[in-house]
Amino acid sequence: GDSVTQMEGPVTLSEEAFLTINCTYTATGYPSLFWYVQYPGEGLQLLLKATKADDKGSNKGFEATYRKETTSFHLEKGSVQVSDSAVYFCALDTGRRALTFGSGTRLQVQP
Amino acid sequence: DSGVTQTPKHLITATGQRVTLRCSPRSGDLSVYWYQQSLDQGLQFLIQYYNGEERAKGNILERFSAQQFPDLHSELNLSSLELGDSALYFCASSVASNYGYTFGSGTRLTVV
Repeated sequence: GDSVTQMEGPVTLSEEAFLTINCTYTATGYPSLFWYVQYPGEGLQLLLKATKADDKGSNKGFEATYRKETTSFHLEKGSVQVSDSAVYFCALDTGRRALTFGSGTRLQVQP
Repeated sequence: DSGVTQTPKHLITATGQRVTLRCSPRSGDLSVYWYQQSLDQGLQFLIQYYNGEERAKGNILERFSAQQFPDLHSELNLSSLELGDSALYFCASSVASNYGYTFGSGTRLTVV
């Protein structure tokens, strides 16, 4: 079945450090891929998405590129801020059922 | 405000009881999804409704049920509650799945 694998957290970085959160997926067909962010005490918010191979999604300084050959959708940001501290979820949609989420990666950014 | 409204925000109830969680989707969205988020299970898909009809089922227990009404709001009914049902329950809505979902802020259920 469809699945998403994310790197385990927590990821702890200093402010202005470079961020990478790895995400790989297993799915048949050509899924759409998403990153969601969950701030403490809140629901999930769509951060960015990509709907086909080689697409790059970007938002708020975050980027992720849909790599079909490696079945990956890694999240990157060049310079993190304390306000980026949150849990990040990678997800896929094949159109056959609801979004499948990874287990989430907690990011802690220290000043 | 995401546009998806969930009530109540917090609920504390005893084992064996029944509760109803309510969700109003974002205006124009016909699909409603229910997810359960617990510490050890992550985000688990429960059920999807589209324009009043059940569209897909995930890991929903037989003690749980849901429906979507003509005005598109949805309710998730949880009965014979157990301690292990304590979790955050999220509702999300979408106009089409490849656009992504809009999530509500969740209902935190505590079963004591």
